[in-house]
Parts: sequence; structure tokens; C-alpha cells
Amino acid sequence: EAEVAQSPRYKITEKSQAVAFWCDPISGHATLYWYRQILGQGPELLVQFQDESVVDDSQLPKDRFSAERLKGVDSTLKIQPAELGDSAMYLCASSYGENEQFFGPGTRLTVL
Amino acid sequence: DQQVKQNSPSLSVQEGRISILNCDYTNSMFDYFLWYKKYPAEGPTFLISISSIKDKNEDGRFTVFLNKSAKHLSLHIVPSQPGDSAVYFCAARKMGAQKLVFGQGTRLTINP
Repeated sequence: EAEVAQSPRYKITEKSQAVAFWCDPISGHATLYWYRQILGQGPELLVQFQDESVVDDSQLPKDRFSAERLKGVDSTLKIQPAELGDSAMYLCASSYGENEQFFGPGTRLTVL
Repeated sequence: DQQVKQNSPSLSVQEGRISILNCDYTNSMFDYFLWYKKYPAEGPTFLISISSIKDKNEDGRFTVFLNKSAKHLSLHIVPSQPGDSAVYFCAARKMGAQKLVFGQGTRLTINP
């Protein structure tokens, strides 16, 4: 069964360091999403790609976060510098058109 | 501004009984609603959805009810099984958009 792949699964870093997360969506899914889920809350959309183009990044803290999907397939989310408040689960999802989104296992980030 | 709300952080139900999870929304532009289930250390998995043109959708043990006038939906699981123990997220989507807005989640525990 096709799945969304994410790596790493866990990341511990010190504040002010740079971190990067990788996502490989389900093959053929043109839409890719990055969500952040803080403990006790629901996932919140950070950025949405349609192929290689950003469709929605209104909730992305652009002073420290960046995301790219250069070839319209896999994607990287970067944080530089990391802050204590960035500790969360970072989830990647993909979809085919307006159909339901399929989520990867997530990357749990801890900033010390 | 929390547009999708799940007011019960947790729910405990006896195995074999009915589990009812509730969700309220405030934005009348939402026209498609989904329920996701999440186990620890995994990403959310799609469970069931409903369009605003319907008031009920059933899939096996899972039924979602939508009351548009009250801006309320509920997920019924019957009979409840131990494997249903997880966090359940309600999500909503506006017409023509792909972005999902999630509730805070409800942790369901099924007791033997």
C-alpha cells in the first residue's frame, strides 16, 4: 500500500540550530501539505504545495521557516534558527485533487 | 479563533457500547467534514467523511451525522472495540479549497 514517507522520525536539537525535515508523498499526488501539531492541539497547516508551487503559506513563520518542493515530488521543511516553541510534531500529507489527505508518520521535534 | 471545536478532551467507553464523539464548527463556508483517527507515534488516518448535502454517512461500525443548522457533527462507533482507542480529530474544509481545519482532538479509551 502506498504511504507518505517522512524522515527523520525524531529530532532533538538545541535552540538556534538549524533543522530540516523531508517528506516523500504518495506517487501521483500533486498536492503536498506540511502541518504542525502541538501537543494537545489539532494539526495546523503551515504550507500547501500544488506540484512545485506554493498555494498557501499564510501560517508559515517566514522569518525562520522555509519549505520547498523543487521538482514537484518530495519536499523539505527547514527551520533556522530553531526556538523552544517549535517543539511539536511535524506532519506531511498528500492528496490527489480534493480527495482525502493521507498523512505520514510525522517527525517529532524537541528543541532544548 | 478556533473554527472547529471538540469540547471533550477525553471519553471513556465500555467495550461493546456506543462511542459518540462530538464536533462543532463556526464557519458556515465549510461544506465537507472528515474524521481522522490517530494512534501514538503515527500520523492521522482518514476514517470517514460527509458532504454538507447529506446529514448521515455510514461505513461499517462508523456513522457520521451532520446537523448544519446547529453547525454540529458527531461520530458514532458501534460496537466499540479496544482497537478504537485513539485520538479522534474532526476536520472541515471550505468549498473549492483543500486546506483542512482541525479540531483539538478527543482521546477515546475503550475499556474491556
